[in-house]
Amino acid sequence: GQQVMQIPQYQHVQEGEDFTTYCNSSTTLSNIQWYKQRPGGHPVFLIQLVKSGEVKKQKRLTFQFGEAKKNSSLHITATQTTDVGTYFCAGYSNSGYALNFGKGTSLLVTP
Amino acid sequence: KAGVTQTPRYLIKTRGQQVTLSCSPISGHRSVSWYQQTPGQGLQFLFEYFSETQRNKGNFPGRFSGRQFSNSRSEMNVSTLELGDSALYLCASSLLTTGLNEQYFGPGTRLTVT
Repeated sequence: GQQVMQIPQYQHVQEGEDFTTYCNSSTTLSNIQWYKQRPGGHPVFLIQLVKSGEVKKQKRLTFQFGEAKKNSSLHITATQTTDVGTYFCAGYSNSGYALNFGKGTSLLVTP
Repeated sequence: KAGVTQTPRYLIKTRGQQVTLSCSPISGHRSVSWYQQTPGQGLQFLFEYFSETQRNKGNFPGRFSGRQFSNSRSEMNVSTLELGDSALYLCASSLLTTGLNEQYFGPGTRLTVT
């Protein structure tokens, strides 16, 4: 079945440094979603990418969807302590009903 | 609009017992999905319901089951609990509009099996 892999598993940065997490799927994705989960919280939807090569920005966050629609990345510029959390990518299975999550990248930002 | 609610929030059970968790989706959302979250395995899809029909099931044993009611509320049941079932169980609802299936997660039920 479809597998969504995410790297790195953990990332520790100093405040102000940039951060990137990468997501790779074993199969072509119809779309990819990104979620953020703060410590002790639940996943919160950030964005959905649909088109091949699509790039979307949300303030300091930049999301990319690969040309082959099998990989994606999330880049945070000049991290802040509020960026702390685990970032998940997720893609729908071929059935369209099961959302398969990567294992996430836990970001720690120290002031 | 109220968010997704899950009850109970915390639960302690003994091996061999069974448990039922409840989820009330956002009003108007007809799709409800369940996930198991553990430190080692991350977020794993359990099943998805739409209009009282299970449309997809993840790779979990038959001890895990669920159902959805006509008001879209959903329950999941785990029978013959094992220590490895200790996890955060998250429910998510979706409006399923064309092209966007954003999942809205509830706060989860923390299940501890002793």
